Amino acid sequence: GAVVSQHPSWVICKSGTSVKIECRSLDFQATTMFWYRQFPKQSLMLMATSNEGSKATYEQGVEKDKFLINHASLTLSTLTVTSAHPEDSSFYICSARRGVGNTIYFGEGSWLTVV
Amino acid sequence: AQSVAQPEDQVNVAEGNPLTVKCTYSVSGNPYLFWYVQYPNRGLQFLLKYITGDNLVKGSYGFEAEFNKSQTSFHLKKPSALVSDSALYFCAVSGDGSGNTGKLIFGQGTTLQVKP
Repeated sequence: GAVVSQHPSWVICKSGTSVKIECRSLDFQATTMFWYRQFPKQSLMLMATSNEGSKATYEQGVEKDKFLINHASLTLSTLTVTSAHPEDSSFYICSARRGVGNTIYFGEGSWLTVV
Repeated sequence: AQSVAQPEDQVNVAEGNPLTVKCTYSVSGNPYLFWYVQYPNRGLQFLLKYITGDNLVKGSYGFEAEFNKSQTSFHLKKPSALVSDSALYFCAVSGDGSGNTGKLIFGQGTTLQVKP
């Protein structure tokens, strides 16, 4: 079964509103989670690294004020797309690192459509 | 800077035949390489990884990959393809050259189509 859960799987929002996507590690603690964005038929682009108890680290070109990341606990990171616009429509995927090693588990992804 | 390239947008193979999905990499430092599979509208599933050790890495669902340092390649292989293997495959490299990171740099992906 899935060890990283994302919610919602699908969301449609109106332009100008904000939408929150949750990423949960179900049976392990993840001090670090990662948020990716994927456009249709394209690769995944790392947006930011979410660190529990501290500020997220954003990749170059990603607007931190637009994509708010909060890692409130060891099992939950949230991505809030603020003042969403149609160009923000995309597939957002999170991942979490389990333990010391390099096993990374990905969530099932969240489709965001801004109309 | 770390990068990976998947030179083929799509690979077509008949069921039962061997398959190869190509990946080449460019890294500074030691390479930490991964393969993931993505089914439509789903997240990524881990197949295998190379950190150190044997050049032939065995992974999930009968897949394996061969690390070739001289050719800077990490091709994904399977001896006998199944129709259910049809999906999008991503090669990835550790983003900071560390073996202990979840920061991954992905290739552009290769669609594998297995026909009955």
